[in-house]
Order: sequence, then structure tokens, then C-alpha cells
Amino acid sequence: GAVVSQHPSWVICKSGTSVKIECRSLDFQATTMFWYRQFPKQSLMLMATSNEGSKATYEQGVEKDKFLINHASLTLSTLTVTSAHPEDSSFYICSASDRVNTEAFFGQGTRLTVV
Amino acid sequence: SQQGEEDPQALSIQEGENATMNCSYKTSINNLQWYRQNSGRGLVHLILIRSNEREKHSGRLRVTLDTSKKSSSLLITASRAADTASYFCATADSWGKLQFGAGTQVVVTP
Repeated sequence: GAVVSQHPSWVICKSGTSVKIECRSLDFQATTMFWYRQFPKQSLMLMATSNEGSKATYEQGVEKDKFLINHASLTLSTLTVTSAHPEDSSFYICSASDRVNTEAFFGQGTRLTVV
Repeated sequence: SQQGEEDPQALSIQEGENATMNCSYKTSINNLQWYRQNSGRGLVHLILIRSNEREKHSGRLRVTLDTSKKSSSLLITASRAADTASYFCATADSWGKLQFGAGTQVVVTP
């Protein structure tokens, strides 16, 4: 299957700082990538849809100014958590599809801890 | 918001037994996928079943899909301790966007 690489796998940051998470499709072009968040013992919640060359589409309740998404190329999407707070501590995971009606390929996830 | 509801929320079985979990959803779908997640780790894709398919097999896994009832089931046969994990169903729309169910936590004891 296709490979999606997410970096970093874990990060600890101080309150008020910003953290950038990268999601790369290594062997295919992904016009669309998705960002999810998962709190402990809960399911994955879709945060936003990242479209190459255009603005991301955010799910209801997700602050677009806090979670900045950039999809500058067909192989890279980034999620920046701005002015992070302890309640932003979570597992963030991206996925990418190379075409419709096929499985989504997930990155390894990033565990963010804000102290 | 989450698309799928899963039951049971938790399942505890012994090695060799079968494990069955169900998933229901609300809107029309392009396909439905099942994933596995070990504690604190990433997702592992198990199987994808398209909306025009009714049943699919992969090794010890069997998935059914009933679009008229908007439900799916995952059966793991002859379970092993290594099958201990959380299992999620996810429905995909025509753009590939996934909505996940709440998940079923499966514990297989030796």
C-alpha cells in the first residue's frame, strides 16, 4: 500500500508556543489530505480537509485560526497548532487518498503534549 | 460529528473464540472501512467494503455490509491474544473523507 509519513511522532511544547506537524505522501500524489484528532480512549474526530492549492475545509467546532493547515504541494500538508494550551494535548493523525473509492492511508500519528 | 455507532463498546473473550462487533451509520456511503488501533499507536487498515458489496473476507476477518439497514459487522474468527486492540469502523464519502465510529475495545485473554 501507499505510504504516508507523519512527523514528528511525538512533541512536547510549552503553553503559548506553536507546533507544526507534517504529513507527507511518499509514493503517490494526494490532492486531498485529512487531519484527525483523538483524545485518550476516544475515537478519531475529523478536524479538517486539506486541499492542495486551496483553503482547508474545517469541521464544525474546529477553530481555523488555531489549527492552521497548509497544503502547498501534492505530497505535503502541514498542521500548525498555534498558541498551544494543555487542552490541545492529543493524538493528531493525518490521512491521504490517491483516488476515490479506495482506502485512506494514514500517517503514524503525532502525540502532542502541551505543558 | 461521528457517523458510526459501534457496539459493543467493549468485548472480552478467550483465545480461540470468535469476536463480533457491529457498526451502524446514518448517511449514504461510498465505502466502509474497518481499522485496528493498538493502544497509543497509529491505525492499521483491515478491510474495505464498497457500497455495492455485501460480504468480504480477509484471512480471519469477515465483514458484512447491509446498506438497507445502514449497518456493518466485523467478525474475527479464532481470536488470538495479539488481536487485543480497539477496532473502528469508518464510513467514506465520495471524496474519501472518513467518519469514524466510537470503536470497540477487544481484549483477548490467553
